[in-house]
Amino acid sequence: SQKIEQNSEALNIQEGKTATLTCNYTNYSPAYLQWYRQDPGRGPVFLLLIRENEKEKRKERLKVTFDTTLKQSLFHITASQPADSATYLCALSRGSSNTGKLIFGQGTTLQVKP
Amino acid sequence: DADVTQTPRNRITKTGKRIMLECSQTKGHDRMYWYRQDPGLGLRLIYYSFDVKDINKGEISDGYSVSRQAQAKFSLSLESAIPNQTALYFCATSDTSGDQETQYFGPGTRLLVL
Repeated sequence: SQKIEQNSEALNIQEGKTATLTCNYTNYSPAYLQWYRQDPGRGPVFLLLIRENEKEKRKERLKVTFDTTLKQSLFHITASQPADSATYLCALSRGSSNTGKLIFGQGTTLQVKP
Repeated sequence: DADVTQTPRNRITKTGKRIMLECSQTKGHDRMYWYRQDPGLGLRLIYYSFDVKDINKGEISDGYSVSRQAQAKFSLSLESAIPNQTALYFCATSDTSGDQETQYFGPGTRLLVL
């Protein structure tokens, strides 16, 4: 069956360090993968998109990698700050066409300590 | 995101009651979605609509119905609420330009069914 897995355990790191979050999937061939940030009591907010033919994408302190062989995406936040504390969701497109539907992982909570 | 609004933000109801959650958007997007979020399960798609005349079931539509009153409005109804429908509900929109799907979420409605 199709499955997306994110580390359900919270990730605790010290301010200034790099946070790395993992998203693994099985039985999908997504055209692209996205990362969203969700703060408590609020809706997810889009951060980055990476396509199946891209290995890496960067935006300011954020970096996403996409390995379609391993079926894995890594999401990095460099020079982390307490304000980066949130839950991060990965989302995959359903199939190779723009079907308008995303499949979300359950999210990983990041806590950055000062 | 103020462009996508949801009402009410919080609701307590009793088993067997019919309730409606409303979503409005000013982004001019054609596509709208309803999700529910439960701890440890991530976002699950209930219904989606690609335009006013196009309504589709998501992965967990049983016990729910929707109405797309206009491009900007998409309502979710629980015909006869039950306690396991207690959850956080999100409305989202997306546009159809390009070959990618980025979704914009409302602030959510927290529903408690007693």
